[in-house]
Amino acid sequence: GAGVSQSPSNKVTEKGKDVELRCDPISGHTALYWYRQRLGQGLEFLIYFQGNSAPDKSGLPSDRFSAERTGESVSTLTIQRTQQEDSAVYLCASRTSVYYEQYFGPGTRLTVT
Amino acid sequence: SQQGEEDPQALSIQEGENATMNCSYKTSINNLQWYRQNSGRGLVHLILIRSNEREKHSGRLRVTLDTSKKSSSLLITASRAADTASYFCATDASPNAGGTSYGKLTFGQGTILTVHP
Repeated sequence: GAGVSQSPSNKVTEKGKDVELRCDPISGHTALYWYRQRLGQGLEFLIYFQGNSAPDKSGLPSDRFSAERTGESVSTLTIQRTQQEDSAVYLCASRTSVYYEQYFGPGTRLTVT
Repeated sequence: SQQGEEDPQALSIQEGENATMNCSYKTSINNLQWYRQNSGRGLVHLILIRSNEREKHSGRLRVTLDTSKKSSSLLITASRAADTASYFCATDASPNAGGTSYGKLTFGQGTILTVHP
């Protein structure tokens, strides 16, 4: 079946502009995660959604970052007033409610100029 | 320093040799997972070991977990050029709700493995 998809694959934006990144999880996966990966680094947890429960936003680095998810479907990560330090690959992952393995999308490479 | 730190940072071996990567962490965990990443994208789950397990095998992969030392190792036997990638350990220390962790992972910075043909 289809894996996790993300769009756009690449995004170049000017400092100060807002960007919206999209994630389509695997159908039937109730949990969805966003991570950020800076060049040469590991992944940083940003936010977690599980069904209709309140999301865990503990990893969001500032109030410029927000994310939405409707039910168990698509999620969007919005970064307002982008800064150069926001440049990174943003990865989305999903999993079922039973198994712990996370399935990752290909990521969105964000470059803030 | 981060939960889930791998060493070495980089490993270069010849095809056919074994590769061993280590991971240390700081807090109690529910499980520990290893992921592979090619070309800066596309993480793929390799293997998961639960906190009450000590060793697990999957094909050419062998993972050990020592909770007393808060460490894990990943062994890849008979390596191939296609194993060239970055390998990350990720710890799940999230609280359990009804017996199920919610799976928030903390990743280390990874080991870059290069396998020469």
